[in-house]
Amino acid sequence: NAGVTQTPKFRVLKTGQSMTLLCAQDMNHEYMYWYRQDPGMGLRLIHYSVGEGTTAKGEVPDGYNVSRLKKQNFLLGLESAAPSQTSVYFCASQVTGTGRYIQYFGAGTRLSVL
Amino acid sequence: EDQVTQSPEALRLQEGESSSLNCSYTVSGLRGLFWYRQDPGKGPEFLFTLYSAGEEKEKERLKATLTKKESFLHITAPKPEDSATYLCAVQAGTNDYKLSFGAGTTVTVRA
Repeated sequence: NAGVTQTPKFRVLKTGQSMTLLCAQDMNHEYMYWYRQDPGMGLRLIHYSVGEGTTAKGEVPDGYNVSRLKKQNFLLGLESAAPSQTSVYFCASQVTGTGRYIQYFGAGTRLSVL
Repeated sequence: EDQVTQSPEALRLQEGESSSLNCSYTVSGLRGLFWYRQDPGKGPEFLFTLYSAGEEKEKERLKATLTKKESFLHITAPKPEDSATYLCAVQAGTNDYKLSFGAGTTVTVRA
């Protein structure tokens, strides 16, 4: 049981380049999330999805786009990377309807934008 | 806006030296308070959920408690393997999807 899997694990980009981060979960969870983690700031929500085909903005959505074409996958795109997007990105998923709101996280993608 | 503040930022302990981490929160209608453990280079790992004031949860050397304004994570007789960053998060209001995280407390336990 893999849980939440993120690819790639590391990436270095030049300013202006684009890339897509992939998140896959095998727990049949409805909700999925993308966070970024920066030193001293805690985890901040970028975008989230409450089901296949739906997406919504979180706390810091500017410069990012997302898609949820399949229930198990949630993609995060950077169209034109900027140094301010250097961060560690985490994907998470959550089951719904049980009264338990636990989010399960992937191992992260470490992104450097030069 | 939900606010979550963790203290201290860092905690250095000797093996066996018990201590507590604090998570204070300001929310409208708490649905749940969550504690996660994060090891360097890894994603947060779920530890506990607390839903109402007075509730307590335990796991090995860790015990989490909850009041109406704060939560404590007590580490009893810590071992070096308890070294990690501990994150607190809250879910509040009418939504069942959004977590607001504190910045974390980094615990280092020396043998």
